[in-house]
Amino acid sequence: GAGVSQTPSNKVTEKGKYVELRCDPISGHTALYWYRQSLGQGPEFLIYFQGTGAADDSGLPNDRFFAVRPEGSVSTLKIQRTERGDSAVYLCASSLTVGEQYFGPGTRLTVT
Amino acid sequence: GENVEQHPSTLSVQEGDSAVIKCTYSDSASNYFPWYKQELGKRPQLIIDIRSNVGEKKDQRIAVTLNKTAKHFSLHITETQPEDSAVYFCAASTDSGYALNFGKGTSLLVTP
Repeated sequence: GAGVSQTPSNKVTEKGKYVELRCDPISGHTALYWYRQSLGQGPEFLIYFQGTGAADDSGLPNDRFFAVRPEGSVSTLKIQRTERGDSAVYLCASSLTVGEQYFGPGTRLTVT
Repeated sequence: GENVEQHPSTLSVQEGDSAVIKCTYSDSASNYFPWYKQELGKRPQLIIDIRSNVGEKKDQRIAVTLNKTAKHFSLHITETQPEDSAVYFCAASTDSGYALNFGKGTSLLVTP
């Protein structure tokens, strides 16, 4: 079946702008995760949804970052007033049970 | 919070040799340990995982071992092939926090 998909694949934005990144999880997966990966590093946890609610948002770096999952399927990560330090690959993953997270291809965000 | 250390950061082996990557973790409550393979520009792919109620798990040429007392786990790849070349990440998580905490990765190069 279809895996996790993310759009756009690449996003270039100017410092100070607002961006939205979208994730479509594997059908039927109730858990959805957002991670951020900088060059040469492992993915860094941002937020985890179980259904529609954010079960753990302890990884969000500050209040410029927000994520929603209104119908328990598609999720959107929103970043306000982007900064150059936000440049990274944003990865989404989904899972049916605890563990076994399957990743999407990521969105490469570049803030100029 | 959980801290996962991974080494070596780079590993070069000849085709047919074995490769071993080691990780340590700090949180004794961690009970799920996946390994991901990431090729350049691609998504992380789950290749094997182990839970804390077992000490070893094997899947064809790859195996993972876990020592809960010492808080370390290892990935073993036998009969390496050039297509095994990639960056490998270990990770750890607990039931109470489903976020995966990743190591910094090991860049494996298998030369023909």
